[in-house]
Amino acid sequence: EVQVVESGGGLVQPGGSLRLSCAASGFTFSSYTMNWVRQAPGKGLEWISYITSSSTAIYYADSVKGRFTVSRDNAKNSLYLQMNSLRDDDTAVYYCARGSNWLDPWGQGTLVTVSS
Amino acid sequence: EIVLTQSPDFLSVTPKEKVTITCRASQSVGTSLHWYQQKAGQSPKLLIKYASQSFSGVPSRFSGSGSGTDFTLTINSLEAEDAATFYCHQSSSLPWTFGQGTKVEIK
Repeated sequence: EVQVVESGGGLVQPGGSLRLSCAASGFTFSSYTMNWVRQAPGKGLEWISYITSSSTAIYYADSVKGRFTVSRDNAKNSLYLQMNSLRDDDTAVYYCARGSNWLDPWGQGTLVTVSS
Repeated sequence: EIVLTQSPDFLSVTPKEKVTITCRASQSVGTSLHWYQQKAGQSPKLLIKYASQSFSGVPSRFSGSGSGTDFTLTINSLEAEDAATFYCHQSSSLPWTFGQGTKVEIK
């Protein structure tokens, strides 16, 4: 089964850091572009980052640029999101999703709560 | 940044009704427009890719059309299990963007 599973969410204070992981299985991870998309509580979807299969191209939404860093380890079939200088408005469910155009599959998401 | 505007924001419909959701882009996205369904408490699932191509395993009552700036998602003969929020998404240019969502409630 093709799937991705996020982990690493939790409660963090404003200004703190957190590292999310996404474990992929059921497909050749090293061949696919991967993304992070987030959803604040009760709100819509926001794309935040894109990394190509060999990490040659990386893009960020302006809302996270300079604070978040996406990376991947193809040997471990894993995608990561290092989040620094976290703010209250970064509180959201963070999804990883496969795709360089449409997004499929999506993981179940991991909740990040930024609060003092 | 390309802004996607969906209408309506909310629909309350009876089973077997036909549902039409529109997505308008602030500039042309060609056919790089995709539709997702998100049921309560679940992650989004792909329904339609490239404006009109049905994704594998998606019921045939879901269909998409359009190109350029105007797109439509149609659900023929709505079923109770279709209650969800639907989102359009453009991958024509970065940053990728989503519509604000259309919530479909079953009467």
